[in-house]
Amino acid sequence: DVKVTQSSRYLVKRTGEKVFLECVQDMDHENMFWYRQDPGLGLRLIYFSYDVKMKEKGDIPEGYSVSREKKERFSLILESASTNQTSMYLCAIQYRGNQPQHFGDGTRLSIL
Amino acid sequence: DQQVKQNSPSLSVQEGRISILNCDYTNSMFDYFLWYKKYPAEGPTFLISISSIKDKNEDGRFTVFLNKSAKHLSLHIVPSQPGDSAVYFCAASDQAGTALIFGKGTTLSVSS
Repeated sequence: DVKVTQSSRYLVKRTGEKVFLECVQDMDHENMFWYRQDPGLGLRLIYFSYDVKMKEKGDIPEGYSVSREKKERFSLILESASTNQTSMYLCAIQYRGNQPQHFGDGTRLSIL
Repeated sequence: DQQVKQNSPSLSVQEGRISILNCDYTNSMFDYFLWYKKYPAEGPTFLISISSIKDKNEDGRFTVFLNKSAKHLSLHIVPSQPGDSAVYFCAASDQAGTALIFGKGTTLSVSS
């Protein structure tokens, strides 16, 4: 079974804080992704990575950064959290292109 | 502008009947399409995919149809079961097959 582990299911932070969301996989997949899901908007891609230390911007990268120092770990960083970043954050992995992506259970982040 | 559209926010079906979920896309470069199911407080689960060289793909109760000329795909679930009640997302990617573009989702309710 594909295993994608997100460090927290629920997280509450304050505006202006630096927030780290962690995603770990045990499948040795090359590609990793961060999405956010908001009601009525579906899933929107924030950043993705297809190799260690490589990153690509998705559709909504503003206010976020990422880090991939090891193949199995992909971190999403909110440099200075704002209330409009309250959302469900989903990490996904993919073996290679034209293969399905497999998702973690998500982190429900609230910024107060 | 939305590249992947699910025009029906919700669908209600009786147990045992067929559920048909629809998805339209605008980008003619898309050539890999997927359907995901999502329960509340869980990550999306991959259901079925189809590449543009095919027009139909089946997996048990789930069948995906692709009409490239109409830029339309559909997911058929036969027979529908109460456990199928969830949000269904369609997604598409281009030839690189990496980044997915998701629709906004259709909530399926199957009543017994």
